[in-house]
Amino acid sequence: QKEVEQDPGPLSVPEGAIVSLNCTYSNSAFQYFMWYRQYSRKGPELLMYTYSSGNKEDGRFTAQVDKSSKYISLFIRDSQPSDSATYLCAMSGVGGAQKLVFGQGTRLTINP
Amino acid sequence: DGGITQSPKYLFRKEGQNVTLSCEQNLNHDAMYWYRQDPGQGLRLIYYSQIVNDFQKGDIAEGYSVSREKKESFPLTVTSAQKNPTAFYLCASKQGSGNYGYTFGSGTRLTVV
Repeated sequence: QKEVEQDPGPLSVPEGAIVSLNCTYSNSAFQYFMWYRQYSRKGPELLMYTYSSGNKEDGRFTAQVDKSSKYISLFIRDSQPSDSATYLCAMSGVGGAQKLVFGQGTRLTINP
Repeated sequence: DGGITQSPKYLFRKEGQNVTLSCEQNLNHDAMYWYRQDPGQGLRLIYYSQIVNDFQKGDIAEGYSVSREKKESFPLTVTSAQKNPTAFYLCASKQGSGNYGYTFGSGTRLTVV
């Protein structure tokens, strides 16, 4: 079993829809949770990050962490064609030397 | 502008050849990482380095080698021992004490011909 599981999709939705992306994990030591966005043939860029449980909102994006269920989510409201990309969840334990563990990535397409 | 530069963007390797992928950063970051990305598998860690002249194997180090002679440079060599080297290779860096501040390069696409 992988430490981090993410549905690879692909996921295709119409413009303006609410998008929900999810990851589950098995390592209870994970405390830092991140979402990266990766456009085709580019490196990932950090989109959202949270520490431990709770919600965090930034514009149209909301990240949620439920540590009791080992489940994290990213919601995109009023989705735009420019949101079309691969979204990767990533997580790590406490301490600067902790390695970042990634999910498989979900390929998202927003149709105009 | 500060960032990570990976070169070349595309690289073609013949069977049995060693090739070296370049990664340079001007962010003054302590730690640097090499990841491999295959379709549907996310990013897998090949090697990482916390300080100059020191590096550790990641989850899939077999067939790869690295060096860290300078803080700003972390080249990756894909050797002939790597059985399936065709992939997208990403270099990243971060400050040693932080957990969030990973910066990625734009990647190198390696293809075996």
